[in-house]
Amino acid sequence: KNEVEQSPQNLTAQEGEFITINCSYSVGISALHWLQQHPGGGIVSLFMLSSGKKKHGRLIATINIQEKHSSLHITASHPRDSAVYICAVSPGGGADGLTFGKGTHLIIQP
Amino acid sequence: NAGVMQNPRHLVRRRGQEARLRCSPMKGHSHVYWYRQLPEEGLKFMVYLQKENIIDESGMPKERFSAEFPKEGPSILRIQQVVRGDSAAYFCASSEPGQGYEQYFGPGTRLTVT
Repeated sequence: KNEVEQSPQNLTAQEGEFITINCSYSVGISALHWLQQHPGGGIVSLFMLSSGKKKHGRLIATINIQEKHSSLHITASHPRDSAVYICAVSPGGGADGLTFGKGTHLIIQP
Repeated sequence: NAGVMQNPRHLVRRRGQEARLRCSPMKGHSHVYWYRQLPEEGLKFMVYLQKENIIDESGMPKERFSAEFPKEGPSILRIQQVVRGDSAAYFCASSEPGQGYEQYFGPGTRLTVT
């Protein structure tokens, strides 16, 4: 069974700061997902990646398969980025249910 | 192209009643997943279905919970004789092999048991 660990659990930063959220997992995977959830809200898929790096706007996700580690970066952070960011992994094959980290609660203060 | 639809968005049930949660996957998607998020806890996998088949139900509680994804119509997560501990947000996601199994989530159904 895969264990997914995220750090930090909570993060408060000032508007404009560069944000990094880390995720590590214990067993080989087919893909890693970064998700965003606003309080009381739905879940939005930000990235799915199996190698290298992806960028979308101010968000960047990287993964190191050998080290079983991924990072999510937010550049020029803004209060609207305040949310819970969740790392999740797909086991080998990709079609199965996801295993989730506990999430990182991010607050960006103006 | 409509996203994943879930209804109802909010559901209140008394202890002992039945809850039925519906999920319509994205158009063209044939894989459906149900996840549960208990208050102050992380998301947990419950069940993975394809049309007319349960592929993996390893995350489903052994009693009172069942799921189906019929040939026609939405996927249904059914909880019989609900208890207060069933109060949670239930999310559905769908995927398709041609899209690398990327999962798209619905808005969730928030179940409250009184």
